[in-house]
Amino acid sequence: IAGITQAPTSQILAAGRRMTLRCTQDMRHNAMYWYRQDLGLGLRLIHYSNTAGTTGKGEVPDGYSVSRANTDDFPLTLASAVPSQTSVYFCASSEQGNNEQFFGPGTRLTVL
Amino acid sequence: GEDVEQSLFLSVREGDSSVINCTYTDSSSTYLYWYKQEPGAGLQLLTYIFSNMDMKQDQRLTVLLNKKDKHLSLRIADTQTGDSAIYFCAELGSGGYQKVTFGTGTKLQVIP
Repeated sequence: IAGITQAPTSQILAAGRRMTLRCTQDMRHNAMYWYRQDLGLGLRLIHYSNTAGTTGKGEVPDGYSVSRANTDDFPLTLASAVPSQTSVYFCASSEQGNNEQFFGPGTRLTVL
Repeated sequence: GEDVEQSLFLSVREGDSSVINCTYTDSSSTYLYWYKQEPGAGLQLLTYIFSNMDMKQDQRLTVLLNKKDKHLSLRIADTQTGDSAIYFCAELGSGGYQKVTFGTGTKLQVIP
């Protein structure tokens, strides 16, 4: 089934640990995004990629890094997790035109 | 920077109409969107309107855009319990990439 998948579904992590959230899409979309969703703050863009090989910083990039080695995959890495990174993380992809974004099911991350 | 604002909560009785409002600041927005998020899931595009339109109707959904006041609304006719969700307003701005700014989301509660 075409779409966008994320892994893991949820994770509890000790502060200071490194963590990579995975995101894969099979729609051949050029653009991909990582958001975090926090109560009362809506969705905030962490990083984005317009096309394979390029990435850019969003609204809240500190403490996160991304890579885009190919069209399908867009992993998000927390080098040294902190409790303020406890959130629900959504990956999304889109194509040009009306830029409808297709969202993955999310990863619920808790940093203790 | 761009800002998109919504009220956080709306409660309506089943069968009534719901109206969810949104204001935005970017006068150069090209597309404005309404996304729906059901519990435990990612966002899904509900409808969108191009900035040169005033109104768009799609079955029970009516989108009204007042570009002068930078005000967007979503009307759901004959609201059903299955419409209970969080609704996000979003706008596609004029950044160097396909930047979509999301509002904080409005939680719609439908009372049977």
